[in-house]
Amino acid sequence: DIVMTQTPSSQAVSAGEKVTMSCKSSQSLLYNENKKNYLAWYQQKPGQSPKLLIYWASTRESGVPDRFIGSGSGTDFTLTISSVQAEDLAVYYCQQYYNLNTFGAGTKLELK
Amino acid sequence: EVQLVESGGGLVQPGRSLKLSCLASGFTFSNYGMNWIRQAPGKGLEWVASISSSSSYIYYADTVKGRFTISRDNAKNTLYLQMTSLRSEDTALYYCARHGKRGNYFDYWGQGVMVTVSS
Repeated sequence: DIVMTQTPSSQAVSAGEKVTMSCKSSQSLLYNENKKNYLAWYQQKPGQSPKLLIYWASTRESGVPDRFIGSGSGTDFTLTISSVQAEDLAVYYCQQYYNLNTFGAGTKLELK
Repeated sequence: EVQLVESGGGLVQPGRSLKLSCLASGFTFSNYGMNWIRQAPGKGLEWVASISSSSSYIYYADTVKGRFTISRDNAKNTLYLQMTSLRSEDTALYYCARHGKRGNYFDYWGQGVMVTVSS
């Protein structure tokens, strides 16, 4: 089974700050035949269902603000929020879909 | 507008069974793989099961294999999860989610239905 490790588990931020969070997989998520990384990011606000932000590690879902940036390849991935807004306070999960599905434990963004 | 509406949750005793449903609308249901994903109270997300568009391919998490059965009725635009031999650790909010157009990420989620396993 592929294990997904997210760090940090929580992070206190101020509005306007640049934020980065990490997701590491126990094996490569890069499929050599199509050069795609099978990694997605989700945002879950309190009391709401998760929302897809990023797939293929760096493709932003339609309607997602361009301050959300996914990067990385192989086993190391990053979600960056270029300038955090108050509405971005949430838990962020990464998910691998290379071999079935596994989620990371999440990174919670809190207000400083 | 894509909508996924789960139903069938509730309080059930350990060892008993329960069947969840997810009614889909706003898209051609028979063209998409579908999934169940759960979230225990205060915890993270756990993928439970997947089914391909024509039911040809079905996969389960090890934690539910042999106890849960995913199925779908494309004529009724409905996804199901039959849960048997329920345990306290199955207590969670169960989400129905659609596979993306281009890959097995989850692009639309329902609002979830709560299942509580307790005596």
